[in-house]
Amino acid sequence: QQQVKQSPQSLIVQKGGISIINCAYENTAFDYFPWYQQFPGKGPALLIAIRPDVSEKKEGRFTISFNKSAKQFSLHIMDSQPGDSATYFCAARTGAGSYQLTFGKGTKLSVIP
Amino acid sequence: DAGVIQSPRHEVTEMGQEVTLRCKPISGHDYLFWYRQTMMRGLELLIYFNNNVPIDDSGMPEDRFSAKMPNASFSTLKIQPSEPRDSAVYFCASSLGQNIQYFGAGTRLSVL
Repeated sequence: QQQVKQSPQSLIVQKGGISIINCAYENTAFDYFPWYQQFPGKGPALLIAIRPDVSEKKEGRFTISFNKSAKQFSLHIMDSQPGDSATYFCAARTGAGSYQLTFGKGTKLSVIP
Repeated sequence: DAGVIQSPRHEVTEMGQEVTLRCKPISGHDYLFWYRQTMMRGLELLIYFNNNVPIDDSGMPEDRFSAKMPNASFSTLKIQPSEPRDSAVYFCASSLGQNIQYFGAGTRLSVL
């Protein structure tokens, strides 16, 4: 079964610190790796995504690092803010013709002042 | 656009009752997805439609679950009969092709 393993389950970071969430996958057919952010009572929303032809993608304070050989990717949140407190999900999808996202189990991030 | 709209937001029912969850996708989107979220299993894809046609329902847990999309602007997920283990948050999402999936706010279902 396709799986995406995410860690840690929960993370507490002080304001201004760096939050790091890691994901690993097995299926080498995955070629699209999005991260979703979910606030309480809301649905997940796309935060940032990467394809395996690049090793890093940065959007503002959010960066995805991708290691194809290790089959791992991670989300880094620089200068973490209390407003970043949410649950973050990594996901993966196979190539053309596939519409199914396989999600990690999520990381609950709490940024404390 | 108002985004993906789901109703009801909360549903409390008794075991054995029929439950119907509703979804209005973003106008113009041709794919619609139903997900279930639980603490134990995370986000799981139940079924998805393309142009109102079910494409993959392999994630539907049992015959008690059924989904329909009678037109491009409406879909339902029905559980009959409901059981306590069906308690979860159910999300609907829509997309234009393989582009970003936009999620609704979800329906929190509690089966007593």
